[in-house]
Amino acid sequence: SQQGEEDPQALSIQEGENATMNCSYKTSINNLQWYRQNSGRGLVHLILIRSNEREKHSGRLRVTLDTSKKSSSLLITASRAADTASYFCATFNQAGTALIFGKGTTLSVSS
Amino acid sequence: GAGVSQSPSNKVTEKGKDVELRCDPISGHTALYWYRQRLGQGLEFLIYFQGNSAPDKSGLPSDRFSAERTGESVSTLTIQRTQQEDSAVYLCASTHGGILAKNIQYFGAGTRLSVL
Repeated sequence: SQQGEEDPQALSIQEGENATMNCSYKTSINNLQWYRQNSGRGLVHLILIRSNEREKHSGRLRVTLDTSKKSSSLLITASRAADTASYFCATFNQAGTALIFGKGTTLSVSS
Repeated sequence: GAGVSQSPSNKVTEKGKDVELRCDPISGHTALYWYRQRLGQGLEFLIYFQGNSAPDKSGLPSDRFSAERTGESVSTLTIQRTQQEDSAVYLCASTHGGILAKNIQYFGAGTRLSVL
């Protein structure tokens, strides 16, 4: 079963605007990761936030984590057309053996 | 190579045939994962290898699916008697291993399997 659920499923914005994606999960976690996928192929790791962190930045990316609500958000600031992709949150299963992914948010940035 | 390599990149097969998918992990990565991604969906965990330990096969959807890995090298995912519902992108990932829950996964580009 899927652990994370992203919201919205699809998001369309103009270049320069900010994009916010949300993720909810079900069980306790040690960390939560965000990945990006272009054109339905390999995923690329973007950022990892640990359970004792509330916010983390990496370039134009800002991730927040609220363990009391079991939710996380990914903010992409000043979006570019090259940010067009699907974005997934992922947490480890309870055995710690595999990442459990949500269905993803498909972001379209138009110029 | 520098990254995770998967082959073939695309595979078209007829229903009932067997297929074998290959994954070359990053050199030195002890852990290897297989995932399946159906169109428009997230990734489904299939199987996990860690060094010479017994693999975690809990995600394999049926006994038609099997995977092998020798040591810390190449892995093959075999699907026997393929069905149309097996059509998906099959993704492989590897990690350094160690403290698993802190590891970032590095993905290959996947194999797109189409069963006609």
